[in-house]
Formats: sequence, structure tokens, C-alpha cells
Amino acid sequence: KAGVTQTPRYLIKTRGQQVTLSCSPISGHRSVSWYQQTPGQGLQFLFEYFSETQRNKGNFPGRFSGRQFSNSRSEMNVSTLELGDSALYLCASSYGGGGTEAFFGQGTRLTVV
Amino acid sequence: TQLLEQSPQFLSIQEGENLTVYCNSSSVFSSLQWYRQEPGEGPVLLVTVVTGGEVKKLKRLTFQFGDARKDSSLHITAAQPGDTGLYLCAGAGLAAAGTASKLTFGTGTRLQVTL
Repeated sequence: KAGVTQTPRYLIKTRGQQVTLSCSPISGHRSVSWYQQTPGQGLQFLFEYFSETQRNKGNFPGRFSGRQFSNSRSEMNVSTLELGDSALYLCASSYGGGGTEAFFGQGTRLTVV
Repeated sequence: TQLLEQSPQFLSIQEGENLTVYCNSSSVFSSLQWYRQEPGEGPVLLVTVVTGGEVKKLKRLTFQFGDARKDSSLHITAAQPGDTGLYLCAGAGLAAAGTASKLTFGTGTRLQVTL
């Protein structure tokens, strides 16, 4: 079956702009989690959506938000971009969510200049 | 806050050598997963261990979950260049009633295997 699809793969944005990233999970999976990966901080949990509801949230500012649609596809939005938001953003799909096995997309590489 | 420390942080070895990567925490996890990530790609799940003391083998890779479910190790026998990558452990926390668990990722071990 098809894996997790993230779009776009690469993005370059200017400070102060906003950005929307998209994730299509594996068919049948109801949970989508988002992570930020940087060389200094590693993989940091942003939030998890399960059946269109945010079920868990990491320690990120309110500029980071997300949503999930009825078909389980998810979007993540970052407003008022800062240089420090440059990172690889990863989406993970799982059937049950929470701490169950996660299947990751290839990620979106965001560069803020 | 649950933290997972991995050691070593970096490892550069030659083909054919053995190695062990450690994943330690002061917290108890309901399960622990190991992932491998290659440059420009997302992490790929290798294995999940659930029971304290559990040992799982995946070809030349051996995974062990500590008896107290607070730590884990990954042992690679006769490493090959194809084993090169970032190895990540991830623990599923014990969620309180009415809340959802989440995965906490370790700090990562970057392995390079040369000919």
C-alpha cells in the first residue's frame, strides 16, 4: 500500500511569512503526528491529530498549528516564520496513534531566510 | 518530561566490526521502538519491543528491552556500509487515564561504516 506522502519536499520562505505543509497518511490510518527535526534538538514532537481532533501537543509556540480533515489528511501551518524554524518537518502516520508504531513520510525541508 | 539519551552520539567503524548502541531513560515506557534514518529521508521503523527483557533479532541486528523497561540496546554484528545512518530509539510513555500517549525520541546515534 502507498506510504506517507508529504508535500512539498522543499520550501524556501522569508522571515515573517507563513507556510502550510501537507501530509497524506497511509490508507486506513487515523492518526497523524508532526515532528520538527534539527541537528541541535533532534526530533521534537509538535502535535498529534486523531480522527480530526488534536489529541496531544508538544512544547511549541502558538505559531505552530495544525488540522486534520475527514479523510485523515493533515496540514501544518507555521505563521510569522523565524530563522530558527528552518528544519526538516516530518509527518508520521499510525493506525492507533499515541505511542503505536509510526510510519514516516520523507519530510519537508523548510529553509527560512 | 521523559528523556531518552542515546550513546554514543557518533560512531565510525570499519566493515565487519561489531557495535552496540544504548538508549537510556529514567522513565518507564510501555514499549520502545528503533528507527533508522538516512539523509534526506524520514525514519524507518526497524523493530518494536514491548516486554521487559525482550530480545528481538532482525538479521544482523539484535534489539533488547531492559528488564525495567527504562532502557534498550541495539547490537549490530559484522557491520556493513549499508548499515550507515542515524539510529533513533523512541519510547511510548505510560499515559495517564483519559490522555493519549506519545512517542519520545532519543537523541540519536549517527553510524558510519566504511570499507
